[in-house]
Amino acid sequence: AQTVTQSQPEMSVQEAETVTLSCTYDTSESDYYLFWYKQPPSRQMILVIRQEAYKQQNATENRFSVNFQKAAKSFSLKISDSQLGDAAMYFCAYRRLYNFNKFYFGSGTKLNVKP
Amino acid sequence: DTEVTQTPKHLVMGMTNKKSLKCEQHMGHRAMYWYKQKAKKPPELMFVYSYEKLSINESVPSRFSPECPNSSLLNLHLHALQPEDSALYLCASSSAAGGPTDTQYFGPGTRLTVL
Repeated sequence: AQTVTQSQPEMSVQEAETVTLSCTYDTSESDYYLFWYKQPPSRQMILVIRQEAYKQQNATENRFSVNFQKAAKSFSLKISDSQLGDAAMYFCAYRRLYNFNKFYFGSGTKLNVKP
Repeated sequence: DTEVTQTPKHLVMGMTNKKSLKCEQHMGHRAMYWYKQKAKKPPELMFVYSYEKLSINESVPSRFSPECPNSSLLNLHLHALQPEDSALYLCASSSAAGGPTDTQYFGPGTRLTVL
C-alpha cells in the first residue's frame, strides 16, 4: 500500500523568505503522480503543483517548485519569496498511474508566514 | 474562483434529522468524490462515482448515503448521524481520463455539526 509522510506538522517562515516543506512516500510502483495541495484557513483546497514520476525535470509554478528525488522517494515543496497569502495547510498526495480514483494524502504541514 | 460548488456552507442537525449535502460541477468531469475532513487532518475518502456509478465505498456507515443523479451533480444524504460525524465534508471532481492532468478539484466544503 502507498503511504505518504509529512514529518513537519508545522513550520514558520518570514515574509519574502524561502521555505521548504518535506514529503516522503512509499511505493513499489515505478510510475505515478505526486501533488501538493494548499488549504488556506476556511477556504477550499487548491492544487499547487504536480509532478509526473517519469519526468526527471522538477515541476515549477511561479514561486513554487519541487525537488523530486525518485530514488529517495522524496518530494519536497519550495516556496520562494513567501507571502502572507501562502499561510495554509499543505498536503502532499500520491496517485497511482492508472487509478485516478484514489489519492493518498500525507498528514499535512501547517505553514505560518510572519510579516 | 471555485468551479465545484457545495451547498449548504454550514449545516447544524440533530441526531434524528435527515438532511442532504449537494455538490455541483460544470467542468464536464466524469468522476466525483465525497471526503470527510476533521480539523488539521487530511481528507478521508468516503465515496467515488465514476460515470455516475458508485465505484468506491470506503466502508462508510449506512447513515451516509450518496447519490449521483447525473454527471454534474452529487448528493450525500444524511440520517441518524452521531456527534463524531461533525466535520468538513468536501466534494471533488476529476476528468476520469486517468492521465497526468486527471487532478481532483475540490469544492469549498460543507461544515457539518451534529448535536
